[in-house]
Amino acid sequence: QKEVEQDPGPLSVPEGAIVSLNCTYSNSAFQYFMWYRQYSRKGPELLMYTYSSGNKEDGRFTAQVDKSSKYISLFIRDSQPSDSATYLCAMVKPNFGNEKLTFGTGTRLTIIP
Amino acid sequence: DVKVTQSSRYLVKRTGEKVFLECVQDMDHENMFWYRQDPGLGLRLIYFSYDVKMKEKGDIPEGYSVSREKKERFSLILESASTNQTSMYLCASSPRDRDGYTFGSGTRLTVV
Repeated sequence: QKEVEQDPGPLSVPEGAIVSLNCTYSNSAFQYFMWYRQYSRKGPELLMYTYSSGNKEDGRFTAQVDKSSKYISLFIRDSQPSDSATYLCAMVKPNFGNEKLTFGTGTRLTIIP
Repeated sequence: DVKVTQSSRYLVKRTGEKVFLECVQDMDHENMFWYRQDPGLGLRLIYFSYDVKMKEKGDIPEGYSVSREKKERFSLILESASTNQTSMYLCASSPRDRDGYTFGSGTRLTVV
């Protein structure tokens, strides 16, 4: 069983819709959580970073963490065609500054104009 | 604009060749990483380095080696390329804290 599970999609939604992307994890040692966005033929770029249960908002994006359920989500409001990309969740087990990320497999999202 | 630069965007190599993938970062980051990305498998860690001349195996190190002679440069070496090493290779760096990684644009390697 993978430590981090993410639905690969693909997911297609109309422009303006609310998008919900999700990951589950099995190891409670994960303490820090991130979302990366990856456009086609590009490297991933950090979108959101959070380390506590609850919600963190940044513009149209909201990251939600539920450590008791081992479940994280990314919500995109008022989705735009420019949001079409692959979204990767990632998480970290603390290791005295020498952390490494464990990634989900990514969800491919297409926003239809 | 700070960044991670990978020397090649596309490479085509023959089976059995020794292949060098170069990565340079200009952010004075301590940590550097090499991943490969394959459809349905996501990003898998090959090797990482927390300091100059230090290296540690990731999840899939077989068939690969690395070199870090300078802080800003981390090289991935395919000792004898095989067709199952055809993939997208991504380099990343991070400071010695939890601010997340900065990735390069990737090298798409095809081994024929």
